[in-house]
Amino acid sequence: ETGVTQTPRHLVMGMTNKKSLKCEQHLGHNAMYWYKQSAKKPLELMFVYSLEERVENNSVPSRFSPECPNSSHLFLHLHTLQPEDSALYLCASSPEPGHRNTGELFFGEGSRLTVL
Amino acid sequence: AQTVTQSQPEMSVQEAETVTLSCTYDTSENNYYLFWYKQPPSRQMILVIRQEAYKQQNATENRFSVNFQKAAKSFSLKISDSQLGDTAMYFCAFMKPNKLKGAQKLVFGQGTRLTINP
Repeated sequence: ETGVTQTPRHLVMGMTNKKSLKCEQHLGHNAMYWYKQSAKKPLELMFVYSLEERVENNSVPSRFSPECPNSSHLFLHLHTLQPEDSALYLCASSPEPGHRNTGELFFGEGSRLTVL
Repeated sequence: AQTVTQSQPEMSVQEAETVTLSCTYDTSENNYYLFWYKQPPSRQMILVIRQEAYKQQNATENRFSVNFQKAAKSFSLKISDSQLGDTAMYFCAFMKPNKLKGAQKLVFGQGTRLTINP
């Protein structure tokens, strides 16, 4: 299997549930990202991990909790979400910045989250 | 902070026509990268084309080309001989190199939904 894989592809949860989104990359990249995609809004960068260290946290509510146990896996733990959190959550990865790498991100297909 | 604006929420053209998607951005940086990403209905976003700000020559990739106007902070995407498979959301994005330790920080626009009609 190659590329960036996200599971589940669809998730429906109540506001009191606890669930997790999973992302796995098979590209040997060192950085991984969570983006939130809502209709008619720019993609919102949520979290960035580089070599398993969180290097960016864009004022995301604490009901979203990321975890990066190794450079190939990234999780987004969800608890007590609100209906406005319903969106497509995209995971991405990128290789080490350098001469041959000019910023391309490699995306998964996303997890469609619906909060009831 | 950098911002990226795509003023066309939706566009629709006939197959084989040429279409241009607009993008403007705001930055005080001199060295940066610009990108166009495509997100087909299957939702996996892929890179279409990139432009380094220090290069005056506009980037081209087969039927895709950009018109990069640095002074105007404009970065439009032209799709020639459009095909049904070009139907997708298109996102313009900005990146300042080395912004994050070992990672890339891209700022995206709102997207333009492009439909190619048969």
